[in-house]
Amino acid sequence: AQTVTQSQPEMSVQEAETVTLSCTYDTSESDYYLFWYKQPPSRQMILVIRQEAYKQQNATENRFSVNFQKAAKSFSLKISDSQLGDAAMYFCAYRDFPQGGSEKLVFGKGTKLTVNP
Amino acid sequence: DTAVSQTPKYLVTQMGNDKSIKCEQNLGHDTMYWYKQDSKKFLKIMFSYNNKELIINETVPNRFSPKSPDKAHLNLHINSLELGDSAVYFCASSQSWRENEKLFFGSGTQLSVL
Repeated sequence: AQTVTQSQPEMSVQEAETVTLSCTYDTSESDYYLFWYKQPPSRQMILVIRQEAYKQQNATENRFSVNFQKAAKSFSLKISDSQLGDAAMYFCAYRDFPQGGSEKLVFGKGTKLTVNP
Repeated sequence: DTAVSQTPKYLVTQMGNDKSIKCEQNLGHDTMYWYKQDSKKFLKIMFSYNNKELIINETVPNRFSPKSPDKAHLNLHINSLELGDSAVYFCASSQSWRENEKLFFGSGTQLSVL
């Protein structure tokens, strides 16, 4: 079964600084998608960024970018110029396309990010 | 306008009771989900419905019964509540089951079983 591991339960960063959140995953598939979701205190889950495994270029969305290392099965999220509103739980997630199976997201256990003023 | 709304936000109840959580989406999406987030923040899918048909049913006790009267609604009924059912339950939707990563989540229902 596919698994997603986030080894950092908590991280903190100073406002305006850069922080990197780690994620590793385990799969035997070659075609899959990876995602980062943000869950602020409001509990709403928000898709931050997504990466297709077949793409070598790392995805970017404004201040958010990923470092996708397919061979190492690593998918880290970099947040540049951190803002107070970035404080949240961040979840890494994986999705593949099993033959005859139901596609679903598998989530990591999350990293709580604190942004210090 | 709330895209995915679920009610109630908080639910406190005694062990053994039966309760329901309602979910509605106004996005015109075909697929809806129920996720459970435990006390350690681990988020796991429970059910998924596509056009009112069940397509994902993870290993969830029979006490949990989803019902989808139409594709805009997916309610979750829980019988004989147990202490271990305490969690935050999230409803979500996506345009289709093949795009299930582009999820729109509700704000969650915090269930506390005493």
